[in-house]
Amino acid sequence: AQSVTQLDSQVPVFEEAPVELRCNYSSSVSVYLFWYVQYPNQGLQLLLKYLSGSTLVKGINGFEAEFNKSQTSFHLRKPSVHISDTAEYFCALRNTGFQKLVFGTGTRLLVSP
Amino acid sequence: DAGITQSPRYKITETGRQVTLMCHQTWSHSYMFWYRQDLGHGLRLIYYSAAADITDKGEVPDGYVVSRSKTENFPLTLESATRSQTSVYFCASRGTRGETEAFFGQGTRLTVV
Repeated sequence: AQSVTQLDSQVPVFEEAPVELRCNYSSSVSVYLFWYVQYPNQGLQLLLKYLSGSTLVKGINGFEAEFNKSQTSFHLRKPSVHISDTAEYFCALRNTGFQKLVFGTGTRLLVSP
Repeated sequence: DAGITQSPRYKITETGRQVTLMCHQTWSHSYMFWYRQDLGHGLRLIYYSAAADITDKGEVPDGYVVSRSKTENFPLTLESATRSQTSVYFCASRGTRGETEAFFGQGTRLTVV
């Protein structure tokens, strides 16, 4: 069975501060990993994805994530957040041989001035 | 416009009524998915489809029916709506290349009273 754990349901941070949103996964086979962002009343938008190769993945809006196979983690980071980054962030995985995305429960990032 | 669209965006229905949520994509993607989003659960897969006339159950299929007579459409029907089906429903599609990400619609907020 596969699963995704997002350890923090909510992360408050001040504008221009760095942030890390944590994601751990469980799978017995190779996986693709994704981070999606959901702004209020909108659908999910892909931030970045890890397929293979370099473990550091850069995405849109200045976000990046690092795949760590030994720790089964895929944490999302941004060195300096903006008010506009306030949103819900979802980590997801898909086994390379399957079609279904498995999501974590989400982390709400709250950026305040 | 190219993309994936859901209708309606908002729906209020009564317990016991049948309701159908529509999903339409213009990319000719083979794979389509229905998820429901609930607080504390993230997104959970209801049904998915690998191609026209091929559908399969996801994590939470009870009380839902899907069909896919055409590649571009993937309607979700609640045969007899219950209050527990109050949720936000997202449709997604994906191409056949293994590494491609899923693209999501804007969601349908369904309230069962």
